[in-house]
Amino acid sequence: EVQLVQSGAEVKQPGDSVNISCKSSGYSFTDSWIGWVRQKPGKGLEWMGIIYPGDSETRYSPSFQGHVAISADKSISTAFLQWTSLKASDTAMYYCARMPGVGNSGGLIDYWGLGTLVTVSS
Amino acid sequence: SYELTQPLSVSVALGQTARLTCGESNIGSKNVHWYQQKPGQAPVLVIYRDSNRPSGIPERFSGSNSGNTATLTISRAQAGDEADYYCQVWDSGTVLFGGGTKLTLL
Repeated sequence: EVQLVQSGAEVKQPGDSVNISCKSSGYSFTDSWIGWVRQKPGKGLEWMGIIYPGDSETRYSPSFQGHVAISADKSISTAFLQWTSLKASDTAMYYCARMPGVGNSGGLIDYWGLGTLVTVSS
Repeated sequence: SYELTQPLSVSVALGQTARLTCGESNIGSKNVHWYQQKPGQAPVLVIYRDSNRPSGIPERFSGSNSGNTATLTISRAQAGDEADYYCQVWDSGTVLFGGGTKLTLL
């Protein structure tokens, strides 16, 4: 059974750094993409970026490029989403998601984590 | 830029058919995927590549895609279908979501 287990909620202050994680199991971690999706309270889904753990190829949405970093550690089948300087506007639920492939023939999300709530407040 | 347009809300009577649309120029040339998100829960894939149902999704859920509109159809709507629904495509090397439609059961 495919599972994506995300780390727990974080409460941070503006300017803080944070690293949230997504541990995969039930499939070959290096054979699928892992993406991150932001959802602000009461709002829709926003695509942040994806990583292919097999070779660490990473692609970012222009809206998030330079503000977050996506990485993966094959040895522990875990993907990460990192901020070095949080803003209040980063307050949101963050989902990790598995994509079996990319491109028009792929590009679908077949499994989702339960989400990690990040709250940024002074 | 490519944008997927979904109505903010759709209402349907219990047992009737709901049709949720996702519009963009020539969307029929792309594979469209649909997700259901209930309050406080993660999204769930309900239709992939226009019209395919993942395992475990009821046959009441179906999809089509042609021209400038993709449609998610929910037949014999049930109270448990009340949720937000998002369409999604792959465009220009990235994932693109529609703004979502809130389905309300009357």
